[in-house]
Amino acid sequence: KAGVTQTPRYLIKTRGQQVTLSCSPISGHRSVSWYQQTPGQGLQFLFEYFSETQRNKGNFPGRFSGRQFSNSRSEMNVSTLELGDSALYLCASTSGSSYNEQFFGPGTRLTVL
Amino acid sequence: QKEVEQNSGPLSVPEGAIASLNCTYSDRVSQSFFWYRQYSGKSPELIMSIYSNGDKEDGRFTAQLNKASQYVSLLIRDSQPSDSATYLCAVNSLRTGANSKLTFGKGITLSVRP
Repeated sequence: KAGVTQTPRYLIKTRGQQVTLSCSPISGHRSVSWYQQTPGQGLQFLFEYFSETQRNKGNFPGRFSGRQFSNSRSEMNVSTLELGDSALYLCASTSGSSYNEQFFGPGTRLTVL
Repeated sequence: QKEVEQNSGPLSVPEGAIASLNCTYSDRVSQSFFWYRQYSGKSPELIMSIYSNGDKEDGRFTAQLNKASQYVSLLIRDSQPSDSATYLCAVNSLRTGANSKLTFGKGITLSVRP
């Protein structure tokens, strides 16, 4: 079974720009969660999508948004980028039937200059 | 504030030793507990999950859960240099169903000396 895929793997943007990241979950998994990982804050939950609906949301500003498509693929968008948005963005796939075990993709490394 | 706390590291053990990694959590309703391993420059990899009090063994790894003490640990027996990584403890307030939010500890870096 193919794992979680994320594209792109690396991004360099400048302040004020916006960015869209993509995630394809494991086949058959319907839940996709997004996390931000930074050296200072560690791994922090952004949001979760299930059946095209946002089911849970972390404490991030409204500049961070996401969506999920009917094929369970998900995108997250960050508008008006700030230097502090530089991070590893991780997508996790959950089957929903196996005790909420989450499997991470390789991540997208975003650098904001 | 619901938190997950891990020992401050780094932790260094000789090859062949037992590495003991500890984690405490503050939310009493927590139901699912996970250990992830993260190599430098890579994403977290799920290595153990545990839901009931007691021990769960998988190869060289043993997870231990004590809900009364709000404590979960990971033991790595016969540590190998390839076990050198950051280990993240994660907690979910539900066992199944409508909540996939994991709360992570800051992680502890393990170094296994040859």
